[in-house]
Amino acid sequence: ETGVTQTPRHLVMGMTNKKSLKCEQHLGHNAMYWYKQSAKKPLELMFVYSLEERVENNSVPSRFSPECPNSSHLFLHLHTLQPEDSALYLCASSPGTGDYEQYFGPGTRLTVT
Amino acid sequence: GQQLNQSPQSMFIQEGEDVSMNCTSSSIFNTWLWYKQDPGEGPVLLIALYKAGELTSNGRLTAQFGITRKDSFLNISASIPSDVGIYFCAGRTVYGGSQGNLIFGKGTKLSVKP
Repeated sequence: ETGVTQTPRHLVMGMTNKKSLKCEQHLGHNAMYWYKQSAKKPLELMFVYSLEERVENNSVPSRFSPECPNSSHLFLHLHTLQPEDSALYLCASSPGTGDYEQYFGPGTRLTVT
Repeated sequence: GQQLNQSPQSMFIQEGEDVSMNCTSSSIFNTWLWYKQDPGEGPVLLIALYKAGELTSNGRLTAQFGITRKDSFLNISASIPSDVGIYFCAGRTVYGGSQGNLIFGKGTKLSVKP
């Protein structure tokens, strides 16, 4: 496995469901990120983790709950989502949170029904 | 908040043509990154720029960090069909944002001329 992987690639869930998105990076990086990509909008940063500590939470609703058990893995736990939460959720990693390039995973296409 | 203006929003390419797109901001940036995203995939890093005036190539792609530090340009020479996709610029301001977060443009969508 190389780079940044995400599972599942596609997810359909009802508003009352609980699900989790998983991200794994094989680059030896120390920082990981969750972004939301909606049509016709710039990528929106949701969460930033550095060495497993959350360093940024961009006013994201509490129905999104991140978890970073170690520097290679990042999860996004979802519960009681709304239809407007349907989007592509992208994970990224970088060597650190400073002036570094970010490398993205393929994303999870989430549809909330 | 800070915004990046990316243009054009979309364009059609014919094989062999050169393509140009740019991003501008009212803020000064210390990093510019260019990504390409294919349908159903995540953005792939194409070029990274760290100095004003820097000109960097990656195959047929060339990107420049504007002298004013408020803009960046991406050129694709002799386009081929696999160049279609969405190109994003991303920048990091001098003032960092929190933890030096990247700010993304809305993208330029390249399609094949019918």
